Amino acid sequence: ETGVTQTPRHLVMGMTNKKSLKCEQHLGHNAMYWYKQSAKKPLELMFVYSLEERVENNSVPSRFSPECPNSSHLFLHLHTLQPEDSALYLCASSHLSGTRRVSEQYFGPGTRLTVT
Amino acid sequence: ELKVEQNPLFLSMQEGKNYTIYCNYSTTSDRLYWYRQDPGKSLESLFVLLSNGAVKQEGRLMASLDTKARLSTLHITAAVHDLSATYFCAVDASGSRLTFGEGTQLTVNP
Repeated sequence: ETGVTQTPRHLVMGMTNKKSLKCEQHLGHNAMYWYKQSAKKPLELMFVYSLEERVENNSVPSRFSPECPNSSHLFLHLHTLQPEDSALYLCASSHLSGTRRVSEQYFGPGTRLTVT
Repeated sequence: ELKVEQNPLFLSMQEGKNYTIYCNYSTTSDRLYWYRQDPGKSLESLFVLLSNGAVKQEGRLMASLDTKARLSTLHITAAVHDLSATYFCAVDASGSRLTFGEGTQLTVNP
């Protein structure tokens, strides 16, 4: 595997389900990101992890719970979602310099989530 | 707070024509990235611009960066249908993240 991978690619879940999205990067990067992309809306940054530490949480509802066990893996745990949470969820990774400058971000293929 | 504005947001053009997409940003930065997204797909990196005056070209696309004007342009030359996609610019102004523009949805018509 190369680059950034995400599983599953498609997910349909009910509002009472619990599921997890997985992201893995094979680029040796030290930062990982979750984005949400809804139809006809800009890309929304949800979470940023640098060296497994969460450095940003953009007022995301608690029904989304991120986990970063190491610099190569990132999860997004989902529970009691709402239909408006249906979107494309993108994972990305990059290298962060010591001064927090971002190198080029590489994106995974995304998970298309539908909440019924 | 850094703001990144792209215009136009929607662009319909004929094959063979030239056009420019603009990306303005509100705070000092010398790093700007352009991405392409096809419908239903992820974002693909197009250009990395790392200094004032940087110019990169790939096929019919050329990107430039003017850090003093806080402006980047993506110029399309002799458009072809395969260029139809949404194009995003993204700016790094420190803070561990990139800030993305809203995207420009480009449609190239035969």
